[in-house]
Amino acid sequence: GENVEQHPSTLSVQEGDSAVIKCTYSDSASNYFPWYKQELGKRPQLIIDIRSNVGEKKDQRIAVTLNKTAKHFSLHITETQPEDSAVYFCAAPDTGRRALTFGSGTRLQVQP
Amino acid sequence: EADIYQTPRYLVIGTGKKITLECSQTMGHDKMYWYQQDPGMELHLIHYSYGVNSTEKGDLSSESTVSRIRTEHFPLTLESARPSHTSQYLCASSAPGTEEYFGPGTRLTVL
Repeated sequence: GENVEQHPSTLSVQEGDSAVIKCTYSDSASNYFPWYKQELGKRPQLIIDIRSNVGEKKDQRIAVTLNKTAKHFSLHITETQPEDSAVYFCAAPDTGRRALTFGSGTRLQVQP
Repeated sequence: EADIYQTPRYLVIGTGKKITLECSQTMGHDKMYWYQQDPGMELHLIHYSYGVNSTEKGDLSSESTVSRIRTEHFPLTLESARPSHTSQYLCASSAPGTEEYFGPGTRLTVL
């Protein structure tokens, strides 16, 4: 099955700084990598995803990069704002059971 | 509006009671999932389903059971609730090769 590791577990940045969260995966057949944001008391929601046929994808202040050779992908948030404070989860598909395997989460705190 | 719904949103119940957590989706997804999550912590997959009459156990050992008689409905049942079952339960659904959409969750407290 798929094994996803996520680092760091907590991240504190000053408003306006950048934040980077990294994940590694084990299944070389994985081809879809979503990132979820979970605000306090709310459900996880997809914020960006990337497929294996591209190396980078951007959406305004967030971007995801993928290195298939090294089997790692990262979330980049630029110009962070207090509303970016949340828990972020990466995920990769377990091709055997056709379900996502989630990382352990990163608690991001943006200090005003 | 296409969405995924969970009821109840909050449940406080005594030890030994039987409970069923409801999950329904109107997105026409074949795949559905149940996760257990302590607030802000890891998501633990406890059950999933590929479609009608399909159910599989996930990573986390759970004393719960699920059924999938209709595409849109995926209830989770605890035959005898215990304090160790206190947690948040999130239902999700997906189409093949796409992201999972999560419901709002049921926060369960067993006294």
